[in-house]
Amino acid sequence: NAGVTQTPKFQVLKTGQSMTLQCAQDMNHNSMYWYRQDPGMGLRLIYYSASEGTTDKGEVPNGYNVSRLNKREFSLRLESAAPSQTSVYFCASRKTTGGRGYTFGSGTRLTVV
Amino acid sequence: TQLLEQSPQFLSIQEGENLTVYCNSSSVFSSLQWYRQEPGEGPVLLVTVVTGGEVKKLKRLTFQFGDARKDSSLHITAAQTGDTGLYLCAGSESGAGSYQLTFGKGTKLSVIP
Repeated sequence: NAGVTQTPKFQVLKTGQSMTLQCAQDMNHNSMYWYRQDPGMGLRLIYYSASEGTTDKGEVPNGYNVSRLNKREFSLRLESAAPSQTSVYFCASRKTTGGRGYTFGSGTRLTVV
Repeated sequence: TQLLEQSPQFLSIQEGENLTVYCNSSSVFSSLQWYRQEPGEGPVLLVTVVTGGEVKKLKRLTFQFGDARKDSSLHITAAQTGDTGLYLCAGSESGAGSYQLTFGKGTKLSVIP
């Protein structure tokens, strides 16, 4: 099983550029999440999708947009990248019935210069 | 947002020693999870605890959920170099909308041969 797949693994952007981080899961999970991880700050929730067709803001949504394309895919878009968005981004998914644990992707390391 | 505080932030020990890391909050969680994260990878779920006072064992790792469901501990017996990593606790709020996990900032463990 691939689990949660994130692309790309690394990206360098110039300030003001846009990009979309892709995430796909093959576990038939209902919920999907985007987190960013910064030194000393831990993992902070950007956006989540409790089920296909719904999205909600997390703790740090400013500067980001998301799309739940279908049950498998949840993308994160930076419309105008800023240096403050330099971070490691993780996508995760969870089955909302039964299991409570998240399955994480291996992350996208984004640098904005 | 419920906060989870982990201690210590950093821990460096010799192989074969025992250690305990802590996760504390002033809020009550319906469940609490522990994850281990290795460099360049996403967090991987170790255990979920849901009942106050619950103790779970995973080989040399023992997890305990506090009676009041506000705190948890992870004890490692006879640490090995393979235990090196970042240990994260994460709590799930009870009630409606409990799709989000709140993460602590982590304990970075180094086990020296």
